[in-house]
Amino acid sequence: KNEVEQSPQNLTAQEGEFITINCSYSVGISALHWLQQHPGGGIVSLFMLSSGKKKHGRLIATINIQEKHSSLHITASHPRDSAVYICARAGGGADGLTFGKGTHLIIQP
Amino acid sequence: AAGVIQSPRHLIKEKRETATLKCYPIPRHDTVYWYQQGPGQDPQFLISFYEKMQSDKGSIPDRFSAQQFSDYHSELNMSSLELGDSALYFCASSSLTGGDEQYFGPGTRLTVT
Repeated sequence: KNEVEQSPQNLTAQEGEFITINCSYSVGISALHWLQQHPGGGIVSLFMLSSGKKKHGRLIATINIQEKHSSLHITASHPRDSAVYICARAGGGADGLTFGKGTHLIIQP
Repeated sequence: AAGVIQSPRHLIKEKRETATLKCYPIPRHDTVYWYQQGPGQDPQFLISFYEKMQSDKGSIPDRFSAQQFSDYHSELNMSSLELGDSALYFCASSSLTGGDEQYFGPGTRLTVT
């Protein structure tokens, strides 16, 4: 069983819809990262969370440490939001990240 | 703002050759991480360095080695290349005193033929 589970694996929505991507992890964390990757492209760090909630523009990330669960929300989705969204667990210090399988999001105009 | 720099961006090698990938972290970042992402796969952690010392080790093959230099840049050396080494190699950097958030470079796409 992967330490980091994401759902859904694939998501297609219409422009303007509210999007939610979920992430569950089985091992304790120092932080939970949300990353964005465009096809064939680099990885962009969206959020690093250890508690509570963070907001950046139309993106919101929440984490519940007790339930070992995090969510990424996109409000007023736009076709340029189409990408792979990856949740990754950080163990602390200089430990490498453990990645989920990613959610392939397509926003149709 | 300065970002993580990786070179080269693309590299084509033949089987059994060697390759060296370079990573230049964000200024004042003391930690470097290497990740490998095969076609259609999620990234896998290879190795990390903090203050020029190896810190954590993931699924790095014995044919690969890496180090972090006094100017904090890092090099990933890959020998006896195999077809399965074809992948996107990401470097990330962070500042352990600045909050641990990892910032990723654009990646080096290695193709082994």
